[in-house]
Amino acid sequence: GAVVSQHPSRVICKSGTSVKIECRSLDFQATTMFWYRQFPKQSLMLMATSNEGSKATYEQGVEKDKFLINHASLTLSTLTVTSAHPEDSSFYICSASRGFGNTIYFGEGSWLTVV
Amino acid sequence: GQQVMQIPQYQHVQEGEDFTTYCNSSTTLSNIQWYKQRPGGHPVFLIQLVKSGEVKKQKRLTFQFGEAKKNSSLHITATQTTDVGTYFCAGPSYNQGGKLIFGQGTELSVKP
Repeated sequence: GAVVSQHPSRVICKSGTSVKIECRSLDFQATTMFWYRQFPKQSLMLMATSNEGSKATYEQGVEKDKFLINHASLTLSTLTVTSAHPEDSSFYICSASRGFGNTIYFGEGSWLTVV
Repeated sequence: GQQVMQIPQYQHVQEGEDFTTYCNSSTTLSNIQWYKQRPGGHPVFLIQLVKSGEVKKQKRLTFQFGEAKKNSSLHITATQTTDVGTYFCAGPSYNQGGKLIFGQGTELSVKP
């Protein structure tokens, strides 16, 4: 069964609103989770590293004020897309592992459509 | 910066034909991982290779890790329609634990 759960799987929102996506590790604690974005027919692009109890580390070119990441507990990280625009429409995926060097598990992904 | 390159981008085969995707890293990797993503789905871990020259098999899938630990390949023998999807290789960042650098992926389509 899934060890990393992501919710919602699909969401449609209006331009200008904010959307929150949750990523949960189900049977292990994850001090670090990763958020990716994937455009159709393209590879996964790492957006940020979510660190429990501290600020997220964003990749170059990713707007930290637009993509808010909160890792409030060892089993939950959230990605909030603020003031969403149609160009933010994409597939967002999180990942986590039991520890460095262990298998990385991906969430089921969240399809975001901004209309 | 660190890069992982994968070819080909697309591969269309007839069912029963073989398929190979190749992965090359700009840096030596401590390990390489392979993932499969079905259309509309999320990446699913297939395997991790750690040792130089390592070869691992999973039924019809054969994974190789190069001697220099900078390249890898995935070979599927006698493809089936269930093999359809995008295959990604990924290597760990050399300076950031847990971060994966993904190849561009190879999209496999299988004609029945």
